[in-house]
Amino acid sequence: ILNVEQSPQSLHVQEGDSTNFTCSFPSSNFYALHWYRWETAKSPEALFVMTLNGDEKKKGRISATLNTKEGYSYLYIKGSQPEDSATYLCAFKTSYDKVIFGPGTSLSVIP
Amino acid sequence: DGGITQSPKYLFRKEGQNVTLSCEQNLNHDAMYWYRQDPGQGLRLIYYSQIVNDFQKGDIAEGYSVSREKKESFPLTVTSAQKNPTAFYLCASTLSRGTNTGELFFGEGSRLTVL
Repeated sequence: ILNVEQSPQSLHVQEGDSTNFTCSFPSSNFYALHWYRWETAKSPEALFVMTLNGDEKKKGRISATLNTKEGYSYLYIKGSQPEDSATYLCAFKTSYDKVIFGPGTSLSVIP
Repeated sequence: DGGITQSPKYLFRKEGQNVTLSCEQNLNHDAMYWYRQDPGQGLRLIYYSQIVNDFQKGDIAEGYSVSREKKESFPLTVTSAQKNPTAFYLCASTLSRGTNTGELFFGEGSRLTVL
């Protein structure tokens, strides 16, 4: 069984704080690494898809980096806002289309 | 509008009964997936299908069955052999022919409760 881990499990930050999460994944059979945001009562939505070692992606205040050689990815949120409160999931896609999710990091941003 | 439709949204069943959850997509996606979520846990892969008439077991396939007779449809049957079926089930799809790295698109989920 392929194992994807995320840390921390949960995080509470003040509005305006910057924060980051970690996703670790197997280094074999790597095809892509996805980040999703899952808000309460909604479906997960993709933030980033990264494929190459050293990839960096940015969308507004959120950015992500990828290290496929050591098997980790970081997600950064700059200046957290209450609307950033959600569960952030990373997912590892293999070369044979299997997509395995980590357990997620639950973020609460306190106004 | 294009999207993924899961039904029913809520389902109750008695122990010992099989139940089928529907997942339909009109996005012309090749690959479809079924995940299960339990309280406090992430998404665990049950089954996935890359093309019509083919599917692969995920990490927790025991007690579940699927079919992929049409590209648009990937129903999941929760059988009486599934020991702990009460959970939230999510279906997803992606445009994948083995080389695409695109993200998954999700349905709204089905919540199954076994009484």
